[in-house]
Amino acid sequence: QVQLQESGPGLVEPSQTLSLTCSVSGNSISSGGYYWSWIRQHPGKGLEWIGYIYYSGSTYCNPSLQSRVAISVDRSKNQFSLKLSSVTAADTAVYFCARDVSGYNQVDFWGQGAPVTVSS
Amino acid sequence: QSALTQPPSASGSPGQSVTISCTGTSSDVGGYKYVSWYQQYPGKAPKLMIYEVNKRPSGVPDRFSGSKSGNTASLTVSGLQAEDEADYYCSSYAGSNNLVFGGGTKLTVL
Repeated sequence: QVQLQESGPGLVEPSQTLSLTCSVSGNSISSGGYYWSWIRQHPGKGLEWIGYIYYSGSTYCNPSLQSRVAISVDRSKNQFSLKLSSVTAADTAVYFCARDVSGYNQVDFWGQGAPVTVSS
Repeated sequence: QSALTQPPSASGSPGQSVTISCTGTSSDVGGYKYVSWYQQYPGKAPKLMIYEVNKRPSGVPDRFSGSKSGNTASLTVSGLQAEDEADYYCSSYAGSNNLVFGGGTKLTVL
């Protein structure tokens, strides 16, 4: 069974960089064929796709966030990470890591979600 | 503002059928066969219910079905059950490795 678990600070100061890591078990990121995704949900709101990294290392991001987003993978630890720079209160959300089977939003496994608040 | 438009709420009585719409444009819903639907309970991660417009992942009851006409996709839940009460989100591929979601619909089982 594939499991994903987000980790990282729950509080980030404005203008700083939000950093989250997703630890994957039950599936090697290097085994290929999947897109490892970040999706967020603002409080009481809908879902927003942030971006994903293919097992090869290619990354694709939401155009509205692209200038501030970096997604990377650490194969030795079977983890992938999100960095979102220059955060504001509008970045306060629950951040989910997930596995997308096809890259066309066929997300079959999700982490439990990591709440992140941007505040001084 | 979400890229795809969903009604904020929908409701039905047990045993009835309910359809939730998801309206986009020719650049997303209308342009590709990649529409997905997710079910989310409060405080939980979403669950994939439908992908590629009308395909069901293993384990999803066949009471859930999807369709698309033009720029509008639909999720139909037949034989409503109390456990179907949740939020439902549509999502579509929007070209150039970009994905968009709807604002979500709260389904109430009366």
